[in-house]
Amino acid sequence: DAKTTQPPSMDCAEGRAANLPCNHSTISGNEYVYWYRQIHSQGPQYIIHGLKNNETNEMASLIITEDRKSSTLILPHATLRDTAVYYCIVRVDSEGGGSNYKLTFGKGTLLTVNP
Amino acid sequence: DTGVSQDPRHKITKRGQNVTFRCDPISEHNRLYWYRQTLGQGPEFLTYFQNEAQLEKSRLLSDRFSAERPKGSFSTLEIQRTEQGDSAMYLCASSLTGRVNSPLHFGNGTRLTVT
Repeated sequence: DAKTTQPPSMDCAEGRAANLPCNHSTISGNEYVYWYRQIHSQGPQYIIHGLKNNETNEMASLIITEDRKSSTLILPHATLRDTAVYYCIVRVDSEGGGSNYKLTFGKGTLLTVNP
Repeated sequence: DTGVSQDPRHKITKRGQNVTFRCDPISEHNRLYWYRQTLGQGPEFLTYFQNEAQLEKSRLLSDRFSAERPKGSFSTLEIQRTEQGDSAMYLCASSLTGRVNSPLHFGNGTRLTVT
């Protein structure tokens, strides 16, 4: 799986949008971008994923650049409960090899939402 | 709660003792993963099952570690002759085949402390 680069930490004011960047310059054409977050003392939680189109769900929006070498996770109205480590992961999705489904985590970005 | 369940949440053991952790995946999920996470690091892949078959093992999984999923439902991870370096959070995740882009769903982990 391609490596990703994320800033180690970011701050955001409560109620404002949090924009978390991720660089994945070596991403392959069949690799998806996944975002997970991990709140202290809990397991990672799936947020969103995409291939090349922008995606939105009830938790967040994912913006992927046209060349797919970077992406941004947007939390539109951050709350204190969004304080967590956010992981950007790229992986192949295939029904063929099961090992392709494993996720390779980096160190992520610690997002701190301040009151 | 129909999420991934792990037991126990915390385990303190003395060096040299054996420990066993249990993971109950989401009921219809046939893929099950074990990860290990140390302080300040992202989760690291240990091993993966599809139904009862263990299909991949990381080099991190030394011969003191063994994982089973006997009936393709719950799984156990055993560590024999524990060492202080085994102290970590052990995470279990599950996912579903036959569904493209099925994300991994994680439990809240078992925190092991070896004294």
